[in-house]
Amino acid sequence: SQTIHQWPATLVQPVGSPLSLECTVEGTSNPNLYWYRQAAGRGLQLLFYSVGIGQISSEVPQNLSASRPQDRQFILSSKKLLLSDSGFYLCAWSPSGRAYNEQFFGPGTRLTVL
Amino acid sequence: EDQVTQSPEALRLQEGESSSLNCSYTVSGLRGLFWYRQDPGKGPEFLFTLYSAGEEKEKERLKATLTKKESFLHITAPKPEDSATYLCAVQAYSNTGKLIFGQGTTLQVKP
Repeated sequence: SQTIHQWPATLVQPVGSPLSLECTVEGTSNPNLYWYRQAAGRGLQLLFYSVGIGQISSEVPQNLSASRPQDRQFILSSKKLLLSDSGFYLCAWSPSGRAYNEQFFGPGTRLTVL
Repeated sequence: EDQVTQSPEALRLQEGESSSLNCSYTVSGLRGLFWYRQDPGKGPEFLFTLYSAGEEKEKERLKATLTKKESFLHITAPKPEDSATYLCAVQAYSNTGKLIFGQGTTLQVKP
């Protein structure tokens, strides 16, 4: 069976500091991978998605970037955090080869920028 | 612009009191509609996918239905453990892979 991991689970960072969140998927090959942000009281907003190694599509221009160095690894980064980057960050995966798949979410990372 | 609106924002039910959650959508060619359950501090858990009007899916006390403009999540005889936020999302043919989420309905079931 497939499992998705995210770490860290929680993170408190000062404004202007760098960020690196990691997501890994087990039990599948060449998954589609996604990063979402969920602000308090708001819905999920797609930030980035990837259909393969080194292939990243950005949905929202912002202070963040994503990379996919390995098939089942997805990383969300920032060089300098802003207060507005606070939120609940979710990684998700869907099987490759089918465009209209349900997406399966990880446990999330709670980021607080002070 | 593709859009999803869920109502009500919050719903309080007594245990055993059946009700429905609504998800209205505007999308340029619906490829799929998805329901998720999210517990506080956790990632969303996939429940159902609906592809065409008239389709229905069931899981325990939950039943999801789909029309050309909206979807309903019916909860029959709910229990306290059904308390959670229920999220609806749509995927359009024009934007493969992207899910557009509603704001969610927070359900509280009291014993």
